Amino acid sequence: DGGITQSPKYLFRKEGQNVTLSCEQNLNHDAMYWYRQDPGQGLRLIYYSQIVNDFQKGDIAEGYSVSREKKESFPLTVTSAQKNPTAFYLCASSRNTGGNPGYTFGSGTRLTVV
Amino acid sequence: AQSVTQPDIHITVSEGASLELRCNYSYGATPYLFWYVQSPGQGLQLLLKYFSGDTLVQGIKGFEAEFKRSQSSFNLRKPSVHWSDAAEYFCAVGAGSGGGADGLTFGKGTHLIIQP
Repeated sequence: DGGITQSPKYLFRKEGQNVTLSCEQNLNHDAMYWYRQDPGQGLRLIYYSQIVNDFQKGDIAEGYSVSREKKESFPLTVTSAQKNPTAFYLCASSRNTGGNPGYTFGSGTRLTVV
Repeated sequence: AQSVTQPDIHITVSEGASLELRCNYSYGATPYLFWYVQSPGQGLQLLLKYFSGDTLVQGIKGFEAEFKRSQSSFNLRKPSVHWSDAAEYFCAVGAGSGGGADGLTFGKGTHLIIQP
């Protein structure tokens, strides 16, 4: 079955370290997105990519970086510049065609700074 | 910039009772609107979406929502809730061409509690 796979499910990071969250999709979707979720805050957009080798900043991009070298993959790196990285991170993808986008979400990665 | 407001942080409903979750949006053009549900520690599942046409939209699990342009609202309803409906519910609006090409803007969510 097609879907989005996020790994790992749980991730622990020491202060000052960079960590990379994986997101892979086999839906043949063009667009991919990263969201951050904090309790009581809903989801906020970090980065998105509508095509390979191109991506745009979302509302809270500071302290994060991404790459889109393959259509199927959109990894997110949480850098040491992100002052409060503990959160639940969700990846999504979308058909983004014909004015009728179909968004699919992964099951998330919970990042904790220790 | 678009925004979404979900006025109720928590709602408690008795099992078998009807449910309405409120959502108000702000967007300059015709909005693309979504309702998602999230169980603890899980991703988001799409309940329903509105792009155009009939303003009453049917979704999965017996949910429906009505788009009211004059009130900038997209409230979610269910005639009879089940204990399994307890979860977090998010309303979202899509921005950019194609109804969300630039990502979705989410409300802060409503936590639904079901009383036996």
